[in-house]
Amino acid sequence: RKEVEQDPGPFNVPEGATVAFNCTYSNSASQSFFWYRQDCRKEPKLLMSVYSSGNEDGRFTAQLNRASQYISLLIRDSKLSDSATYLCVVTDTGFQKLVFGTGTRLLVSP
Amino acid sequence: DAGVTQSPTHLIKTRGQHVTLRCSPISGHKSVSWYQQVLGQGPQFIFQYYEKEERGRGNFPDRFSARQFPNYSSELNVNALLLGDSALYLCASSLAGGIYEQYFGPGTRLTVT
Repeated sequence: RKEVEQDPGPFNVPEGATVAFNCTYSNSASQSFFWYRQDCRKEPKLLMSVYSSGNEDGRFTAQLNRASQYISLLIRDSKLSDSATYLCVVTDTGFQKLVFGTGTRLLVSP
Repeated sequence: DAGVTQSPTHLIKTRGQHVTLRCSPISGHKSVSWYQQVLGQGPQFIFQYYEKEERGRGNFPDRFSARQFPNYSSELNVNALLLGDSALYLCASSLAGGIYEQYFGPGTRLTVT
């Protein structure tokens, strides 16, 4: 079983749509959680950290359910510029490394 | 402020050769991590260095080695290159490693022929 699992997609949505990505992780001792965004052939960029209380940044909302070992990302009012791969990331128990999922690809069309 | 910088941007090597990749972290950051990203996969952790000491190592063969210099820049070395080493090599910098947020450089795209 992979440490971090994501639906690879692609998710094809029209502009203005709301889209949700889900992620599960296997290590119950993981402490920190993130969503990164990666554009084609570019480096991953930190989108947002994820907290147990949930957090929101503009059109983006992230949720963490520790009991279910489940992380989500909700994007409202999708823009063309949101087209990218979204990577779910957790830290390992020793906090020494980031563990990435394979990413979910989002394509927003006019 | 400058972000994480990496050199070279692209590199083509032949099987069996050796390669050195370089990374300069964000000013004030003391930790550097290296990741390998194969096409279609998420980045895989190779090493983390903090204050010039190795703090973590991923599941990579001994052909991979790294070091961190007093100015916190870092080198990743790969010996006896294999075709499977073709990937995007990413360097990430953070204040102090661990749970601190990591910021990635643009990567070095290595092709082994």
